[in-house]
Amino acid sequence: NAGVMQNPRHLVRRRGQEARLRCSPMKGHSHVYWYRQLPEEGLKFMVYLQKENIIDESGMPKERFSAEFPKEGPSILRIQQVVRGDSAAYFCASSDRPGEKLFFGSGTQLSVL
Amino acid sequence: EDKVVQSPLSLVVHEGDTVTLNCSYEVTNFRSLLWYKQEKKAPTFLFMLTSSGIEKKSGRLSSILDKKELFSILNITATQTGDSAVYLCAVSGTYKYIFGTGTRLKVLA
Repeated sequence: NAGVMQNPRHLVRRRGQEARLRCSPMKGHSHVYWYRQLPEEGLKFMVYLQKENIIDESGMPKERFSAEFPKEGPSILRIQQVVRGDSAAYFCASSDRPGEKLFFGSGTQLSVL
Repeated sequence: EDKVVQSPLSLVVHEGDTVTLNCSYEVTNFRSLLWYKQEKKAPTFLFMLTSSGIEKKSGRLSSILDKKELFSILNITATQTGDSAVYLCAVSGTYKYIFGTGTRLKVLA
């Protein structure tokens, strides 16, 4: 039973390019959460999705950031026109129900040059 | 606004010591409180607590929740260097999980 899979592990982009981060939740999980973590800081909630629906995107900047979780395929966090301040570790997590154990992927380290 | 506060922010102890990490919270529609250990990469799950006063235990680690006073503690007895990590507390509310900033524990040999 594979865990939460994220790719790529490392992503380097130049300012102005697009970053696309992928997350396949644990088998049987339909609830996906994205978090951002800066060095020496905690996990900041970005967005919560359930299959095909965005439930809560209150932690995600309204410009340049978007997320989806299609019926088929992984969840995608998309950052358009990246800036240096977007450099961070982005973690995806999944659960089978809200409030239950949350399992994390290994994260994507985004570096913007 | 939902929030989770952990203390202390950092802690340095010697092997064999016992440590207590604290987590207080304010959240709408509380569902559960979870503890995680984070070393260099993904947080790994330790405990999930939903009921007051029931201690969860795993080896040298234990945790308890007080829903009246809105806090939880994580105890680690007979610490080892492998316990060095950031310990994260998270609380689940209506939809999302809110994390504290973590306690950075360093155990010296």
